[in-house]
This record gives sequence, structure tokens and C-alpha cells, in this order.
Amino acid sequence: SQTIHQWPATLVQPVGSPLSLECTVEGTSNPNLYWYRQAAGRGLQLLFYSVGIGQISSEVPQNLSASRPQDRQFILSSKKLLLSDSGFYLCAWSLGGNYGYTFGSGTRLTVV
Amino acid sequence: QKEVEQNSGPLSVPEGAIASLNCTYSDRGSQSFFWYRQYSGKSPELIMSIYSNGDKEDGRFTAQLNKASQYVSLLIRDSQPSDSATYLCAVRGFNKFYFGSGTKLNVKP
Repeated sequence: SQTIHQWPATLVQPVGSPLSLECTVEGTSNPNLYWYRQAAGRGLQLLFYSVGIGQISSEVPQNLSASRPQDRQFILSSKKLLLSDSGFYLCAWSLGGNYGYTFGSGTRLTVV
Repeated sequence: QKEVEQNSGPLSVPEGAIASLNCTYSDRGSQSFFWYRQYSGKSPELIMSIYSNGDKEDGRFTAQLNKASQYVSLLIRDSQPSDSATYLCAVRGFNKFYFGSGTKLNVKP
């Protein structure tokens, strides 16, 4: 069966510090991968998605970036965090077609 | 810009009642529709998918789709306090989903 791992679960970082969040999927090949952010009490904002290694689509211009160095690994990064980067970051995967997303357990990021 | 609209709620229903959650979407060409449940502080989990007009039942959950009216709904029968959560409607686009902002459901004992 397929599983998605996302870490860390919580993170407190100072403004201006770098960020690296990692997501890996097991039990499938060539998944579509997604990074979402959810601000407190708000909906899901799609940040990046990838349909293959090295292929990244950016949805929102900001100080975040994403990379997919391996088929089942998706990384979200920032060189310098802003207060507005605080939120609940969710990684998700899908096989495309009529398949739904499966979300990871999320990372709650607080920038102080 | 493809849009998915949901009433933010909260929707309050007594335990044992039917909860009805509604969603409209703007892209008439959409083919796949999903309902996710998100408990406070947790990640969303997929509970229903529907692709054809009509009803699809899974236990206490029924998804209803009307493509002509661009409307999808989720009915929860015999609502339980454990059903209290935010329900997100999602519509599949090209390589990505479009999510509504969610409806918060409160089931009162």
C-alpha cells in the first residue's frame, strides 16, 4: 500500500532563517506531488506541484521554492522566512486521472 | 479562474439528524469531484469521490452530483459528534484540484 511521509510535524523558526520541508511517498511510482499551505482558519492554497522529476509548477509567486530530486521526494524550501510564511504545510500525492489526493500529516510552521 | 464555492458555516445539526453540505463549481467541463474531511489541526482525508450524475452511497455518506446545475453535495445520515469537522469540496482540473474553502459542521449531542 502507498504511504506518504512528511516531516517535521512542528517547526518554530525565526524570521530570516532558511526552511526545508521534506515529503516522500512509498509504494507507488511517478506520482503527482503537491505542496499546499493552510493559514489558520483558512482554505488550502496550492503552492507547487510536480508531475515528474525536475518538473515544478509554481502557483503563487513568493519566497518559497520546491524541488523534486527523486521520483518520490518533494522538498519545499525558503532562503529567508517571513512572518507571513507561518501556516500548516501539507504535502499530497495523486496518480492523476480520477484518483483523489492523499495528504501527508502536515507541518505546522510558526515564524517568530 | 476555476472556482469552487462552499458555505463556510458553521452548520449545526443535532445528533442523529441528516447534515447536508453543498458545493458549486464554475468549470462546466469538470469531471471528477471529491469530498474531504478535515478535523481541527489535522490534514484532510478523502471520504467520497463521484464522477457521474446521481447519487453515490458509502455507509452513512451520500454524494450527489448534478453536472447540469454544476452542483455537488454531501449528505451525512445519522450524524454523530465525531462527524464534527470541516468538509472540503474539491474539483479536479488539469493536474491539480481546486478546493472550496470548506464548511464547518458541528454535530451537537
